[in-house]
Amino acid sequence: EPEVTQTPSHQVTQMGQEVILRCVPISNHLYFYWYRQILGQKVEFLVSFYNNEISEKSEIFDDQFSVERPDGSNFTLKIRSTKLEDSAMYFCASSGGTRTDTQYFGPGTRLTVL
Amino acid sequence: AQSVSQHNHHVILSEAASLELGCNYSYGGTVNLFWYVQYPGQHLQLLLKYFSGDPLVKGIKGFEAEFIKSKFSFNLRKPSVQWSDTAEYFCAVLSGNTGKLIFGQGTTLQVKP
Repeated sequence: EPEVTQTPSHQVTQMGQEVILRCVPISNHLYFYWYRQILGQKVEFLVSFYNNEISEKSEIFDDQFSVERPDGSNFTLKIRSTKLEDSAMYFCASSGGTRTDTQYFGPGTRLTVL
Repeated sequence: AQSVSQHNHHVILSEAASLELGCNYSYGGTVNLFWYVQYPGQHLQLLLKYFSGDPLVKGIKGFEAEFIKSKFSFNLRKPSVQWSDTAEYFCAVLSGNTGKLIFGQGTTLQVKP
């Protein structure tokens, strides 16, 4: 069965550094998402992406965050200058032809900002 | 804004016990509701979903959920849990037109053998 994959599984970085989290969505999916979960808190929506542009972003998704689908297979989340409070598990998800199709989640990247 | 509330944060059951996890949502219009499960060390996966029609929805692994519009609830049930059901369970609602999911806080279920 096709799966969403994410790399790396764990990323440790210094505050102020840039990080890029990578995701490979399921190949025929059209909708892509990033969520995050700070330890002990809810899974929170960050951004949705469709037709090569952001369709919605949350208040968390400020100017420090960006997403890209550079080559038709990868979907990346970049944080330009990481803060301590960016430490969280970041999940990528993708869904098929409509916004209501089931979202399939990747295993997550644990980001630790020191 | 829509919100989702899960009342039970940590549930401990013995095998063969019945399970009911509560979920309430805030939105009064048409809702699309989901239950996701995350087994230890694995990624979130869909248990079941409700869009319309029969309010009693059956999912994988013997789980079901009932949509009760008057109570804004979508509780998850299983008549007899197994040790392998130990996991974290998340209720979620689809919000807006972009596929955004809003999640509840999650419920950790521990099933004792």
